[in-house]
Amino acid sequence: KQEVTQIPAALSVPEGENLVLNCSFTDSAIYNLQWFRQDPGKGLTSLLLIQSSQREQTSGRLNASLDKSSGRSTLYIAASQPGDSATYLCAVRLLSSGSARQLTFGSGTQLTVLP
Amino acid sequence: DTGVSQDPRHKITKRGQNVTFRCDPISEHNRLYWYRQTLGQGPEFLTYFQNEAQLEKSRLLSDRFSAERPKGSFSTLEIQRTEQGDSAMYLCASTKTESMNTEAFFGQGTRLTVV
Repeated sequence: KQEVTQIPAALSVPEGENLVLNCSFTDSAIYNLQWFRQDPGKGLTSLLLIQSSQREQTSGRLNASLDKSSGRSTLYIAASQPGDSATYLCAVRLLSSGSARQLTFGSGTQLTVLP
Repeated sequence: DTGVSQDPRHKITKRGQNVTFRCDPISEHNRLYWYRQTLGQGPEFLTYFQNEAQLEKSRLLSDRFSAERPKGSFSTLEIQRTEQGDSAMYLCASTKTESMNTEAFFGQGTRLTVV
């Protein structure tokens, strides 16, 4: 059974810092990996998707990397801002998850960027 | 707004009552998913539709839960005889096709509180 772990569970940084969020998964036979942002009481906003054949994806101040062989992904946020405060969720889609190819999520990292 | 839409956003119900939630996916998306998220955890897969066919159900979907997607458009999730343990955020997601660059888009969720 695929397990997705995100460390740390919570992170507090001063504004302007660069930071890295970590995601690890136990089954490396993934279809793709997606990073989401979730604000309190809200739904999920997709940030980046990395296909299994890719090593990284970038969008603005965000950069996500994927190392399938070691079962790891990182989300790098440059020049953090208070508006980046949210919970960041990592999710993988397995090759072997049947026709659904549903996402398996980590528990998230709650990020607070202090002004 | 052409994103995934969920209704209602919040629902408070007494234990033992039935509740029904609705999800309208992005119009050209034929794949629809329901997830449940409890506090401090990532979303967990409940069920999957391809067009109108319900193709997969998780073990989390007890007999009290039923989902439909008539005509392959909107979907409903009904919980009968609600229990306090059903209190959670219910999230709907949709995707267009199945490929390595398939990106899941989520709605804002329905927050259920059973009192």
